[in-house]
Amino acid sequence: SQELEQSPQSLIVQEGKNLTINCTSSKTLYGLYWYKQKYGEGLIFLMMLQKGGEEKSHEKITAKLDEKKQQSSLHITASQPSHAGIYLCGADPRGAQKLVFGQGTRLTINP
Amino acid sequence: KAGVTQTPRYLIKTRGQQVTLSCSPISGHRSVSWYQQTPGQGLQFLFEYFSETQRNKGNFPGRFSGRQFSNSRSEMNVSTLELGDSALYLCASRRTGGAAKNIQYFGAGTRLSVL
Repeated sequence: SQELEQSPQSLIVQEGKNLTINCTSSKTLYGLYWYKQKYGEGLIFLMMLQKGGEEKSHEKITAKLDEKKQQSSLHITASQPSHAGIYLCGADPRGAQKLVFGQGTRLTINP
Repeated sequence: KAGVTQTPRYLIKTRGQQVTLSCSPISGHRSVSWYQQTPGQGLQFLFEYFSETQRNKGNFPGRFSGRQFSNSRSEMNVSTLELGDSALYLCASRRTGGAAKNIQYFGAGTRLSVL
């Protein structure tokens, strides 16, 4: 079965700094999804990546998919307090019609 | 457009009881999936329903069941509750056609505490 490993598990950064979260898959990635979760709440969809080399941006968040490395990265530029939360990557095992998730990365932004 | 709505938001039950959680998907979404989130196991897939039929099931005991109605609303039921069933239960819906068909949109969740 497919497994996703996220690194780091937690991250504390100063407001205004850049940061990167990585997600590595044990199997080929056919679809990679990034979500953000505020503690105890639902997941908010950020971005979907489907093709190797694909890169998408939304406001100050950029996600890339490296198909050969079976890895995706999420980069936040000039972090703000609103970026704080848990970031989760999810993968769509081919034909499975479900998502498997990494364990999440807890991001704290210090003012 | 309204998002995925889950009710209730919080539940407290005792061991041995049963519980029913409800999920209303985004209008037009016919697929509904359920996930369990715990600190130890993370987010785990429970099952998916489409057109009132269960299409996929995760590795959970038979105490966990679900159903979907003709209006795509879904319920999940947990019988004979155990302490380990305490978790955040998340429902997600998605379109089943078009370029964005694989994107799952999540509700706010139901937090179940079993005492």
